[in-house]
Amino acid sequence: DTEVTQTPKHLVMGMTNKKSLKCEQHMGHRAMYWYKQKAKKPPELMFVYSYEKLSINESVPSRFSPECPNSSLLNLHLHALQPEDSALYLCASSQVTPGEAFFGQGTRLTVV
Amino acid sequence: RKEVEQDPGPFNVPEGATVAFNCTYSNSASQSFFWYRQDCRKEPKLLMSVYSSGNEDGRFTAQLNRASQYISLLIRDSKLSDSATYLCAVQMNTGFQKLVFGTGTRLLVSP
Repeated sequence: DTEVTQTPKHLVMGMTNKKSLKCEQHMGHRAMYWYKQKAKKPPELMFVYSYEKLSINESVPSRFSPECPNSSLLNLHLHALQPEDSALYLCASSQVTPGEAFFGQGTRLTVV
Repeated sequence: RKEVEQDPGPFNVPEGATVAFNCTYSNSASQSFFWYRQDCRKEPKLLMSVYSSGNEDGRFTAQLNRASQYISLLIRDSKLSDSATYLCAVQMNTGFQKLVFGTGTRLLVSP
């Protein structure tokens, strides 16, 4: 099973809403990542979890809150987002080398 | 200067053509290099890792030039299905888990 599964695939939320994005992998990978990708731009790293501990936070605003409940799951909790936060949010996992990562299909988020 | 730079294209080529993309990186201490492919509105997928000695996989060949700080991707005998955006990715030396992507080069292969 070489899949990274993300839910939901699409999400529309208001600026006062609280929502969560979910990511799951069963490849035994020990590193998991959240990326943000705007249209016609490359993916930008947000967070890295290594062995279930947060190892990199790329100065992401606190309205994005990551959580890693176990080695297979990664969540991204969203609260009080702004319209400019609308983007494709990609989860990825890798065994050791971050460059050899498997990406989920992403959650296309629209903030209204 | 951006950490990783690519010509955004698009590169328009006919089927069967050979096409090459370059990607330059600014941090000379960068450790590892990769090419990803991303189809429209899809997730990136790893195409190949780029080794110091080069790497070939079928019609695809990747090269690394550390002295000039660039990597290249050569596609031979282009197929319609090769149409996509090709992203180079560089693993930084500081914070080993950080991967930085280039802006991508769009390839359009026409009949």
